[in-house]
Amino acid sequence: QVTLRESGPALVKPTQTLTLTCTFSGFSLSTGGMCVSWVRQPPGKALEWLALINWDDDKYYSASLKTRLTISKDTSKNQVVLTMTNMDPVDTATYYCARTLGYRYGYMGLDSWGQGTLVTVSS
Amino acid sequence: DIQMTQSPSSVSASVGDRVTITCRASQGIRSWLAWYQQKPGKAPNLLIYASSSLQSGVPSRFSGSGSGTDFTLTISSLQPEDFATYFCQEANSLTFGGGTKVEIK
Repeated sequence: QVTLRESGPALVKPTQTLTLTCTFSGFSLSTGGMCVSWVRQPPGKALEWLALINWDDDKYYSASLKTRLTISKDTSKNQVVLTMTNMDPVDTATYYCARTLGYRYGYMGLDSWGQGTLVTVSS
Repeated sequence: DIQMTQSPSSVSASVGDRVTITCRASQGIRSWLAWYQQKPGKAPNLLIYASSSLQSGVPSRFSGSGSGTDFTLTISSLQPEDFATYFCQEANSLTFGGGTKVEIK
């Protein structure tokens, strides 16, 4: 059974750096084809893909947010970490991590998701 | 980046209706498109990948088609549990569409 869980602060101040951790089980991020993505969703709005890391440690970022994002993995801990710098109130959203299959090798979608964590940016 | 445009943004339908949602890519993406269903307060759920491949466990009333720039998601006979918001996603830059809310008529 694949599970993912996001953790991190519920509230951050403007200009601060957000660090979110995705802890997963049921698969290994060292297996070929396996990836983990981060996706966010402002209240009442659409999904926005943010970043992806694959089994080979290749990293991909949203073009519009690339300068603010860093994704990394700790395969031994089954964790993926996302940092987003210079947070702003418009970054208030639910942040999800999701297992992603086959990116650039026969894409099969984001097939398992965490429950999401709401991050509010406010002073 | 590729832009994904969904239409309509919302649709009102009754149980048993056939519902079709469209997604248009700003450039050709072959068949690299996925569809998700999201219910309020829940994470999205993968329905279809590679334009027409049904994800394991998804009811067969859901189907997808299309290639290039134009894609459709069809629900053949709408069930009460299908009232939700649906998103498409392309597989190059992983951009999502704006969503289509399926509401009760």
